[in-house]
Amino acid sequence: GQQLNQSPQSMFIQEGEDVSMNCTSSSIFNTWLWYKQDPGEGPVLLIALYKAGELTSNGRLTAQFGITRKDSFLNISASIPSDVGIYFCAGYLTQGGSEKLVFGKGTKLTVNP
Amino acid sequence: NAGVTQTPKFQVLKTGQSMTLQCAQDMNHEYMSWYRQDPGMGLRLIHYSVGAGITDQGEVPNGYNVSRSTTEDFPLRLLSAAPSQTSVYFCASSYAGNMGLVRNEQFFGPGTRLTVL
Repeated sequence: GQQLNQSPQSMFIQEGEDVSMNCTSSSIFNTWLWYKQDPGEGPVLLIALYKAGELTSNGRLTAQFGITRKDSFLNISASIPSDVGIYFCAGYLTQGGSEKLVFGKGTKLTVNP
Repeated sequence: NAGVTQTPKFQVLKTGQSMTLQCAQDMNHEYMSWYRQDPGMGLRLIHYSVGAGITDQGEVPNGYNVSRSTTEDFPLRLLSAAPSQTSVYFCASSYAGNMGLVRNEQFFGPGTRLTVL
């Protein structure tokens, strides 16, 4: 079953506001990834995190790999209408000698102009 | 590069029919995978492959078969379609890291929207 708990499920914000979403798990992950999906498209990678404690920025986006390796957050500053979409966290989980990418259920972001 | 391509974009099947969803990538990626996306469920891994001739099951493999005869192609076969397989299917690929462990970003195709009546 699903091994990543992503919250919130949805957010409705005004343009210009900051956004924060996070993912937690009872399992230890080796890599955390944050994806964005626009309607009718496949997910596109925003940020990749490889080390516990790592803090990485990509423009207005900032993400951190939790120290315990069981959580990660994504912040979006000064939101704009094109930030609308579904944001997914994902992590590589080692199982049975191989690594599998598992996804959270997504955070649907709506930005009101 | 075309990246990851998927065909068809849309498909409607009747219960019991079989079909193959096609996926191809031109980036020489070793790792390829199939996901299904259902409302409120995120993306769930169906099958994956770390290289030609090697496949393995993901989280929800039942009702699906895969094969990897070439590096470029990773088709997904539905043997006998069921309404529960109505979903959006995404193929993804990436480089494989050391010792076959995947640490690199996956690139997704545009998806195939499948309806089973």
